[in-house]
Amino acid sequence: TQLLEQSPQFLSIQEGENLTVYCNSSSVFSSLQWYRQEPGEGPVLLVTVVTGGEVKKLKRLTFQFGDARKDSSLHITAAQPGDTGLYLCAGPEYGNKLVFGAGTILRVKS
Amino acid sequence: EPEVTQTPSHQVTQMGQEVILRCVPISNHLYFYWYRQILGQKVEFLVSFYNNEISEKSEIFDDQFSVERPDGSNFTLKIRSTKLEDSAMYFCASSEYGGGGAEAFFGQGTRLTVV
Repeated sequence: TQLLEQSPQFLSIQEGENLTVYCNSSSVFSSLQWYRQEPGEGPVLLVTVVTGGEVKKLKRLTFQFGDARKDSSLHITAAQPGDTGLYLCAGPEYGNKLVFGAGTILRVKS
Repeated sequence: EPEVTQTPSHQVTQMGQEVILRCVPISNHLYFYWYRQILGQKVEFLVSFYNNEISEKSEIFDDQFSVERPDGSNFTLKIRSTKLEDSAMYFCASSEYGGGGAEAFFGQGTRLTVV
């Protein structure tokens, strides 16, 4: 079973600060996806990274896929209270099965 | 924007009862999935479905579970005889393509509580 480890588990910051959360594995993934999940809701897809070294930007969010395709990071610039949520990374283990990390709980205080 | 919809949002059932969770995937998607998330734990894969048959299933998906696409729009998960440990959020997802880079879109979930 391929595992995805996310860090930190919990992050509490002030509005306007920058932050980075990480998703690491000892296995190579063909792609990684980042989701955001709010309490009682389903995961919402933010981005898919496919190529080693790839960087994708989504407004204030920057996603990077490691060169070896074993890790990924999510950087948020000038965090806002609306960014609060659980950030999950997920990757295909085999076929169409996605394996998820445990997530990083982000709380942005105003 | 197209979305995956699930009903009901919350289901309470007695242990040993059968439950059916319903999903309407995004209309042009061909691959369908069920995942579950026990409170405080990771999202776990249950089953994937393509071309009217199961393509993959996890160890969790035992004989108590079944999936069906009864018509052109619905996708259902049936649990035949529920156990307390089946209590979880159940998410349906769909994707247009299969394979490693497929982007799965999730519904809002059904909270199943077995008492």
